[in-house]
Amino acid sequence: AQKITQTQPGMFVQEKEAVTLDCTYDTSDPSYGLFWYKQPSSGEMIFLIYQGSYDQQNATEGRYSLNFQKARKSANLVISASQLGDSAMYFCAMRDVETSGSRLTFGEGTQLTVNP
Amino acid sequence: NAGVTQTPKFQVLKTGQSMTLQCAQDMNHEYMSWYRQDPGMGLRLIHYSVGAGITDQGEVPNGYNVSRSTTEDFPLRLLSAAPSQTSVYFCASSYSRGVVDTQYFGPGTRLTVL
Repeated sequence: AQKITQTQPGMFVQEKEAVTLDCTYDTSDPSYGLFWYKQPSSGEMIFLIYQGSYDQQNATEGRYSLNFQKARKSANLVISASQLGDSAMYFCAMRDVETSGSRLTFGEGTQLTVNP
Repeated sequence: NAGVTQTPKFQVLKTGQSMTLQCAQDMNHEYMSWYRQDPGMGLRLIHYSVGAGITDQGEVPNGYNVSRSTTEDFPLRLLSAAPSQTSVYFCASSYSRGVVDTQYFGPGTRLTVL
């Protein structure tokens, strides 16, 4: 069965520094998508970035990049130049079809705090 | 373009009451789904739909019913609320069920069952 593991319940970073949030996954499906969502204290789920299993290059979206290491089954989120507004819960999620009917499987999340 | 909308934002029920959580999207997405989020956990799938008239169970379907009569709407019904259903409920949609398609979430409904 597919599974997402986020081993960092909480992370702290100084404003303007970079931070890496870890995510490992497990699936037997050769085709899958990996997603990162941000959940601020207001509660909404905000899509940040996507990486497909067949993509050759790591995904980037502004200050967000995804360090995709397929052989290690890891999909770490890198946030460059952290801002106070980046303080939130971050969820890694995976979507595959054959084993899960295309649902999103979520990790337990990492609470990021950006200090001034 | 409102995206995914959910009503109500907050709801308090007594054990045994029934209610319907509303979800609508205006992006002409085929795939819609309901998740619940419990404290300290990621989201878990309750039910999903790949198009009007087609629904299926997710990971935690017990105690919930869904229907999809139109592309836009995907209501979630609690038949007889229980305290274990206290949670935050998110509706999401995507263009299709393909793995490349991003799911976009509504703002959530915070439900408390007393």
